[in-house]
Amino acid sequence: AQKVTQAQTEISVVEKEDVTLDCVYETRDTTYYLFWYKQPPSGELVFLIRRNSFDEQNEISGRYSWNFQKSTSSFNFTITASQVVDSAVYFCALSEAFYGGATNKLIFGTGTLLAVQP
Amino acid sequence: GAVVSQHPSWVICKSGTSVKIECRSLDFQATTMFWYRQFPKQSLMLMATSNEGSKATYEQGVEKDKFLINHASLTLSTLTVTSAHPEDSSFYICSARRGQGNNQPQHFGDGTRLSIL
Repeated sequence: AQKVTQAQTEISVVEKEDVTLDCVYETRDTTYYLFWYKQPPSGELVFLIRRNSFDEQNEISGRYSWNFQKSTSSFNFTITASQVVDSAVYFCALSEAFYGGATNKLIFGTGTLLAVQP
Repeated sequence: GAVVSQHPSWVICKSGTSVKIECRSLDFQATTMFWYRQFPKQSLMLMATSNEGSKATYEQGVEKDKFLINHASLTLSTLTVTSAHPEDSSFYICSARRGQGNNQPQHFGDGTRLSIL
């Protein structure tokens, strides 16, 4: 069965610190997609990144970077030089491939609340 | 980028009232939309998958007669909470996906905070 685990419930850092949010997933499929979303206090979910299971290349986008390791079924997210505006709940999510007309679900982890103190 | 609009953003109403929430994809056609429910400090729980022109697919434990979903066009899905009660109070979020493939990200609306008195 599909499952996404975000073991860190809450993380508090001081501005300018680097922080890594962990995500571990379980799936029996060989083709799947991983996502990270940000949910600020206002509530809307903001899409951050998508990664497919065949692409293990790490990605960097500004202060954000993602480390995908199939060997450990992890897709961790690092924020470098954190800022107060980064304070939010971050969700990791998994979706299996699209086969046979079925629309597969997006399975969310429980989220990690990141608080960046000034 | 893609924009999904959800309306209303906040509803407070009396027990027994039916409440309709709209979800619109503003700059793309969405054959599939999703409705989620989120309790405070918890993750998003998928309630149903809404497919344009056909019946919604509900998750186990979600009452289809309680949560009516209509996806009448490629840009609009509605969720109606019928005869709402205080236990229905929650944050409801819709999302829309451009295209059919699961590699496409879901784009989320701003959510609707529903409070039933």
